[in-house]
Amino acid sequence: DQQVKQNSPSLSVQEGRISILNCDYTNSMFDYFLWYKKYPAEGPTFLISISSIKDKNEDGRFTVFLNKSAKHLSLHIVPSQPGDSAVYFCAASANEGAQKLVFGQGTRLTINP
Amino acid sequence: DAGITQSPRHKVTETGTPVTLRCHQTENHRYMYWYRQDPGHGLRLIHYSYGVKDTDKGEVSDGYSVSRSKTEDFLLTLESATSSQTSVYFCAISANNEQFFGPGTRLTVL
Repeated sequence: DQQVKQNSPSLSVQEGRISILNCDYTNSMFDYFLWYKKYPAEGPTFLISISSIKDKNEDGRFTVFLNKSAKHLSLHIVPSQPGDSAVYFCAASANEGAQKLVFGQGTRLTINP
Repeated sequence: DAGITQSPRHKVTETGTPVTLRCHQTENHRYMYWYRQDPGHGLRLIHYSYGVKDTDKGEVSDGYSVSRSKTEDFLLTLESATSSQTSVYFCAISANNEQFFGPGTRLTVL
């Protein structure tokens, strides 16, 4: 039973345009959500997070939106740059901050010049 | 990078042999985690530790055991490796409401 789902295995976007990565979850107890970026042969690195008391969090080119009623979050990257090409994972936790994260399957983002 | 190292970085072993992976941290964090990453599954939690000698199971703990005899080291052991345990293994610590990951160990079980 996949509690966190990223239904798009891959996404291709033109450089300079907006990239939108989506994530759905089923567990209503999740109250903290994170996005990670992963390059080949490296560990995942933290990008941005959002608490369930907010519906938006912004950090430079990255914005995460949370729709609690739909159990859906999205990561917007604008403008997209070639260095953004990576695998992106969303993750969620329930009442424990960043402990015991549940990850989605990942979306491979490719930014085309 | 939270001072996390993993060893070995790559290992090839045969079915039925024992394997131990090591995670080492330099910053005294209480919580440590072992994940495996497989295509189509993302990262799945194997075991975690919330202090010295305090460990608990994660989502995919069958076939794995862990030990934490000191704060800085968290060991993952495959008692008898199987081909289904071929994967990339990541160690992580949690701090400041996020998790920081090590560089990973690629394990191949033939």
